[in-house]
Amino acid sequence: AQSVTQLGSHVSVSEGALVLLRCNYSSSVPPYLFWYVQYPNQGLQLLLKYTSAATLVKGINGFEAEFKKSETSFHLTKPSAHMSDAAEYFCAVSGVNFGNEKLTFGTGTRLTIIP
Amino acid sequence: DSGVTQTPKHLITATGQRVTLRCSPRSGDLSVYWYQQSLDQGLQFLIQYYNGEERAKGNILERFSAQQFPDLHSELNLSSLELGDSALYFCASSAVQGAGSPLHFGNGTRLTVT
Repeated sequence: AQSVTQLGSHVSVSEGALVLLRCNYSSSVPPYLFWYVQYPNQGLQLLLKYTSAATLVKGINGFEAEFKKSETSFHLTKPSAHMSDAAEYFCAVSGVNFGNEKLTFGTGTRLTIIP
Repeated sequence: DSGVTQTPKHLITATGQRVTLRCSPRSGDLSVYWYQQSLDQGLQFLIQYYNGEERAKGNILERFSAQQFPDLHSELNLSSLELGDSALYFCASSAVQGAGSPLHFGNGTRLTVT
């Protein structure tokens, strides 16, 4: 079964600084990977997804993630943090086979932006 | 706006009661998923339906049941409620059959059991 591990339940960065949120996956074959963001009192919104095309994936709001098979990682980055980036971020994985579409989520990382 | 509608937004009920949560997927989406989000368990997959049929089952309690109707809306029924069932329940939908299709989430129903 696929799973993801998010390192760091809380991350704080200064406004304008680099954002790096870590996610490692566990799967016998390279899975499909996703990053979602959750703002307070809202549902989850898709930031980006990796489905075995380009290893560097660009998403919304200036975020991107790089799939590294050798490190089984899919870390999320943004060059310059903005106050509006404060939210909870979830890494998720799905299988690649027919009938295995559900997403399994990590425990989340709460991002705080320091003015 | 994801296009996924969940009702009600909030629900407060007592232990032992039964409630029904409703979800309307995005127009054209055939798959519906239910997730439970709580502080101690995180986001847990409960169940998936595809075009009216159960497709995958996760950690869903026997007291919980779901169905997807011909018009593709879905309902999650929670019975014999316990304090520990208090959580945010999300519905999500996806467009195509097969892995790799992103899920689109509603804003959730917050259930409080007193």
